[in-house]
Amino acid sequence: GAVVSQHPSRVICKSGTSVKIECRSLDFQATTMFWYRQFPKKSLMLMATSNEGSKATYEQGVEKDKFLINHASLTLSTLTVTSAHPEDSSFYICSAPIVQAIDGYTFGSGTRLTVV
Amino acid sequence: GENVEQHPSTLSVQEGDSAVIKCTYSDSASNYFPWYKQELGKGPQLIIDIRSNVGEKKDQRIAVTLNKTAKHFSLHITETQPEDSAVYFCAASKTGGSYIPTFGRGTSLIVHP
Repeated sequence: GAVVSQHPSRVICKSGTSVKIECRSLDFQATTMFWYRQFPKKSLMLMATSNEGSKATYEQGVEKDKFLINHASLTLSTLTVTSAHPEDSSFYICSAPIVQAIDGYTFGSGTRLTVV
Repeated sequence: GENVEQHPSTLSVQEGDSAVIKCTYSDSASNYFPWYKQELGKGPQLIIDIRSNVGEKKDQRIAVTLNKTAKHFSLHITETQPEDSAVYFCAASKTGGSYIPTFGRGTSLIVHP
């Protein structure tokens, strides 16, 4: 149980275009979703926290106009990379806390974004 | 805020040997310590966790120990196999609600056949 489905797993886009990444909680309600960015051989860098029905909270240094986060429902959170540039190429991962007995966090499978 | 240090950054072992990864944390209020395994191109997966009211937890070849006084916790993998090769992350957080976990920098474990 407690699965977060993340799509797409890989995407290649041209510079200047926008890309949307979706994370859906399949068997639980995710009132909160964490969005991470991971550089090669590096740890997870928290970008923002989305909460259903309210504005996302962005970490310092993360451009909110570039990385648009929407948490439209209790099972869907999206990250849109707008006007993508090659330096936005990275591995993006979502994660949701599981407010159940195990009280942990479950991660999506990640999205490899390549901007050419 | 919380600060989690993880060592070593890289660990190379022979198949069948044991592997130990160590983490320290700074916030004494942290009470939940999960470990994640991340294979190449995939999201992290929870492999074991421990809460502050427990000193040790074991699941087959994997065990985790916690020393609250010293604020450190460790992951032990016995009888390592090539499929254990991955990046392992420790984390520390408070349980309940939407506390954001603080992750260590990761350990790349390589198990040589």
